[in-house]
Amino acid sequence: DAGVIQSPRHEVTEMGQEVTLRCKPISGHNSLFWYRQTMMRGLELLIYFNNNVPIDDSGMPEDRFSAKMPNASFSTLKIQPSEPRDSAVYFCASITSGGNYGYTFGSGTRLTVV
Amino acid sequence: QKEVEQNSGPLSVPEGAIASLNCTYSDRGSQSFFWYRQYSGKSPELIMSIYSNGDKEDGRFTAQLNKASQYVSLLIRDSQPSDSATYLCAVNTGRRALTFGSGTRLQVQP
Repeated sequence: DAGVIQSPRHEVTEMGQEVTLRCKPISGHNSLFWYRQTMMRGLELLIYFNNNVPIDDSGMPEDRFSAKMPNASFSTLKIQPSEPRDSAVYFCASITSGGNYGYTFGSGTRLTVV
Repeated sequence: QKEVEQNSGPLSVPEGAIASLNCTYSDRGSQSFFWYRQYSGKSPELIMSIYSNGDKEDGRFTAQLNKASQYVSLLIRDSQPSDSATYLCAVNTGRRALTFGSGTRLQVQP
C-alpha cells in the first residue's frame, strides 16, 4: 500500500499565479479530505468528497479555491489567483466511508506564495 | 469557543516520566475521538482512537474519554525523547469530518 500520495511536495509561486495540488487516495478509500495547516490556524478542513462527490466545501476560504475529484483515484485543489496568505501546508487524507476511523494523511504540499 | 481546545504547550517532561496531554470539545454529540502525533515537517500520524467512556491502552499510550465532561486525554508512559512532537486531538463532531485541535507540543528531556 503506497499510502496517500500528494504532489508536488513543495511549490513556490508568485502572487497571482495558478497553483494546482494533486492527491491520490489509498485504493479502496472512498472519502477524501483536503486540509490546510498554518501556525496561526492549525489544521482546517477545506473540503471533503464521498464517492467523488463534494459533501462539505464550507471550509473553502473563497472563490479563488476550487477542488475536483474526477474519479476515485485522483483529486485536485486549485488556487487561482494565488495570494501570499495562501502560504501553508496542504494535506490530503483518505478513509473508508462509513468508518469512524482516523484518517491516513499524505505527506503534504508546502505552498509558498511570494 | 473553539470546537476542540488544547493547551499549546510546550509541555516539558523528563525522560521516563508520564506525559499527560489534554483536550476538551464543545459538541456533546461527538462520537469518536483520535490522537495524532506530528513530527516537525511531517504529516499527522494516527496513534490512538477511542469511542466510549473510559480508558483504552495501547503499549505506552493510554487514551481516556469522559463524555460527560467533554474531555479526552492521552497519557504517554515512560516518555522517550523520540516522543517529542506535537500531539493533535481530533473529534468527529457529526459533520462527517474530523475537527482538529491546535495541538500540544511535547518535549521530552533526556
